Amino acid sequence: NAGVTQTPKFRVLKTGQSMTLLCAQDMNHEYMYWYRQDPGMGLRLIHYSVGEGTTAKGEVPDGYNVSRLKKQNFLLGLESAAPSQTSVYFCASTGTSGIYNEQFFGPGTRLTVL
Amino acid sequence: SQQGEEDPQALSIQEGENATMNCSYKTSINNLQWYRQNSGRGLVHLILIRSNEREKHSGRLRVTLDTSKKSSSLLITASRAADTASYFCATDKAAGNKLTFGGGTRVLVKP
Repeated sequence: NAGVTQTPKFRVLKTGQSMTLLCAQDMNHEYMYWYRQDPGMGLRLIHYSVGEGTTAKGEVPDGYNVSRLKKQNFLLGLESAAPSQTSVYFCASTGTSGIYNEQFFGPGTRLTVL
Repeated sequence: SQQGEEDPQALSIQEGENATMNCSYKTSINNLQWYRQNSGRGLVHLILIRSNEREKHSGRLRVTLDTSKKSSSLLITASRAADTASYFCATDKAAGNKLTFGGGTRVLVKP
């Protein structure tokens, strides 16, 4: 199993450009999440999904959109990138086999917005 | 806002020593989890303690939870250079298995 994979690993954008980050998991997990991590800080939840076709806002959703068209994929979009969105983005997933579930994380995407 | 706050922010110890870090949170929780992050990598789950548990062990890790004080501690015994990483606590209190992370403790284990 590959676990959780993220594409791309690195990206540099100019202000105003758009891009999509792709997260894929092969563990048949229901729940998927997008976080951002700024230097020296913990992770903050951007958006999440509790199943195919559903999405919900997290703590810091402004400037981002998401889609979960397939159970194994969770896409994060930036419509008009801003320097404040320079960060490392992590995707995670978890299953519903129990009430208390650990999250499995991808390796991250390092995004720089100039 | 961050639910969990770790203390200390950074810790430097010699190999073989124990490392202790603390996490405080603000509201009631279902469970509390600890994760490790090596430099430039994603987070890896270490241990989960439920709100009705007080102590849990996993290998060289010992986690305690005091819900009356809204705090948890992570103890790493007999530390190794490979334990050098950032450690984050995360609380789970809402539907959707959403986690709220603290700011992390950076641990440096010197050989």
